Amino acid sequence: ETGVTQTPRHLVMGMTNKKSLKCEQHLGHNAMYWYKQSAKKPLELMFVYNFKEQTENNSVPSRFSPECPNSSHLFLHLHTLQPEDSALYLCASSQGGGGTGELFFGEGSRLTVL
Amino acid sequence: KQEVTQIPAALSVPEGENLVLNCSFTDSAIYNLQWFRQDPGKGLTSLLLIQSSQREQTSGRLNASLDKSSGRSTLYIAASQPGDSATYLCAVRRGELIFGTGTRLQVFP
Repeated sequence: ETGVTQTPRHLVMGMTNKKSLKCEQHLGHNAMYWYKQSAKKPLELMFVYNFKEQTENNSVPSRFSPECPNSSHLFLHLHTLQPEDSALYLCASSQGGGGTGELFFGEGSRLTVL
Repeated sequence: KQEVTQIPAALSVPEGENLVLNCSFTDSAIYNLQWFRQDPGKGLTSLLLIQSSQREQTSGRLNASLDKSSGRSTLYIAASQPGDSATYLCAVRRGELIFGTGTRLQVFP
């Protein structure tokens, strides 16, 4: 069982669809993150949750809506996306969101928006 | 604003060579630096974490050093193997983890 599990691994959606990405961590961590990885660009932090509370939102458009029901689960709800939102979305977790803990990543969800 | 640069962007070497990958950052006020490996289409695997008070960390054939005052880190890979082929990312952390664009490494037999 891997430490951080993401589903689905691949997702194709139209611009009017609503879908969700799911992340689950089995490491007992209390901080979870969503990152976006586009071609030729560094990873971009999207959202941070500490103890289920959102502590950071890096100016992400409202068509991306995160949800963290508990410290082990994190969702990214997707609605009316644009083709430029096609990317690899990576979830990560760490022990402590204060900036000192080691981050562990999932395998990512490859999103294609048509 | 923190910026992280990795040089070279790509590297192709024969098996057995010792390698040095470079990472530089503009703001030395960091908590730690982490090196990751990413295989094509996959997530990131943490290789080494160096806290700001440390100078280096070692794991197997990998050794990472940190010179915070000069804003530099190096990842040394000894006796490279084809299985080491991947993209290597460094990231620095003070709150948010800021990533470089990576070095794409190919080790051929």
